[in-house]
Amino acid sequence: KNQVEQSPQSLIILEGKNCTLQCNYTVSPFSNLRWYKQDTGRGPVSLTIMTFSENTKSNGRYTATLDADTKQSSLHITASQLSDSASYICVLNNNNDMRFGAGTRLTVKP
Amino acid sequence: DVKVTQSSRYLVKRTGEKVFLECVQDMDHENMFWYRQDPGLGLRLIYFSYDVKMKEKGDIPEGYSVSREKKERFSLILESASTNQTSMYLCASSSDSHSYEQYFGPGTRLTVT
Repeated sequence: KNQVEQSPQSLIILEGKNCTLQCNYTVSPFSNLRWYKQDTGRGPVSLTIMTFSENTKSNGRYTATLDADTKQSSLHITASQLSDSASYICVLNNNNDMRFGAGTRLTVKP
Repeated sequence: DVKVTQSSRYLVKRTGEKVFLECVQDMDHENMFWYRQDPGLGLRLIYFSYDVKMKEKGDIPEGYSVSREKKERFSLILESASTNQTSMYLCASSSDSHSYEQYFGPGTRLTVT
């Protein structure tokens, strides 16, 4: 069983709407949790990074949260744009041992 | 600006061919990685390297080998390509001094026919 589970697997929203992507994990302990954005045909690019003790981190319209008690992280996207269409990958890092979720494929429609 | 480049964006090979995928990073990173990415499975680690001439098996090393003769270059080798190795291959590098953030290349889409 994958140690990092993401949901939903795919999501379609209208431009301008908000959405939240989920990441549930069993990895413990870990050094940090990252959310990556991967555009089609490109490599992943880091969006946010949170250490074990942080609860939230923002990067523009992207806000990541972390609940260590429930072992859940979420990525909230506000006022979505067409350029937000991509796969979003949750990654847990424990001293350079990276565990990747399978990703959520987000499509933003005009 | 960190740059990780991969030798090909798209590659088509026949079953049984030897395939070389090259990756070069220009930030003097100590660590380099090769992943494959398949729909619904996410990224899976094939091999990684902590230093020149050093390599470690990842989660799915079978059918692959690697070479790191220089710090900036990490090669993935498919000795005898098979159809189940059709996939997107991603190279990444990281530095020990930057929270191990991995910087990814653009990927190589390999098709084995």
